[in-house]
Amino acid sequence: ETGVTQSPTHLIKTRGQQVTLRCSSQSGHNTVSWYQQALGQGPQFIFQYYREEENGRGNFPPRFSGLQFPNYSSELNVNALELDDSALYLCASSPEGTDTQYFGPGTRLTVL
Amino acid sequence: AQSVTQPDIHITVSEGASLELRCNYSYGATPYLFWYVQSPGQGLQLLLKYFSGDTLVQGIKGFEAEFKRSQSSFNLRKPSVHWSDAAEYFCAVGLHSGNTGKLIFGQGTTLQVKP
Repeated sequence: ETGVTQSPTHLIKTRGQQVTLRCSSQSGHNTVSWYQQALGQGPQFIFQYYREEENGRGNFPPRFSGLQFPNYSSELNVNALELDDSALYLCASSPEGTDTQYFGPGTRLTVL
Repeated sequence: AQSVTQPDIHITVSEGASLELRCNYSYGATPYLFWYVQSPGQGLQLLLKYFSGDTLVQGIKGFEAEFKRSQSSFNLRKPSVHWSDAAEYFCAVGLHSGNTGKLIFGQGTTLQVKP
């Protein structure tokens, strides 16, 4: 519906491992943002990419990193996973020149 | 600091009744305001947005919201609720810092609809 897809849908990892989450948005959506949504909470801004450059960052440690590619796909990488990283990770993209963010369905990450 | 408050964590209404979900924000400038809806286990769907102009904004699924600058509020309304409206509703403020346009979300309001 929004044209934003995320993979995988669900993921289970153990503490200390690394994970890569993927997002694909529509052509022309040059801005992608990532959010973390803990259970029962509103989404929290992790960072944003514009034309493959990091464009702003929320209050998350450096072990959260990202990449954006020319084909409108992007990745969120999390190193040294902690139990508190268990959450729904949402990707959102914005068409060029707009401030409206369209969200994907999310990836549910569980860290054991 | 910028923030969004949704005072009602949980609301229950009867099907066919009217609905108002409250949202208050704290922001120094004129904000961009959004309402999103999230069904269980799903991503966020945009209901409506306010950038400027007419303070009464129409959205999808029969929802509307009114921006009141004097009250720093952006309440969501629907005249007649349907059972399918049961979901989590999030109000958000869009902030700009340099080139970054991030969203600050409230804690959400869970809507339950009684038959």
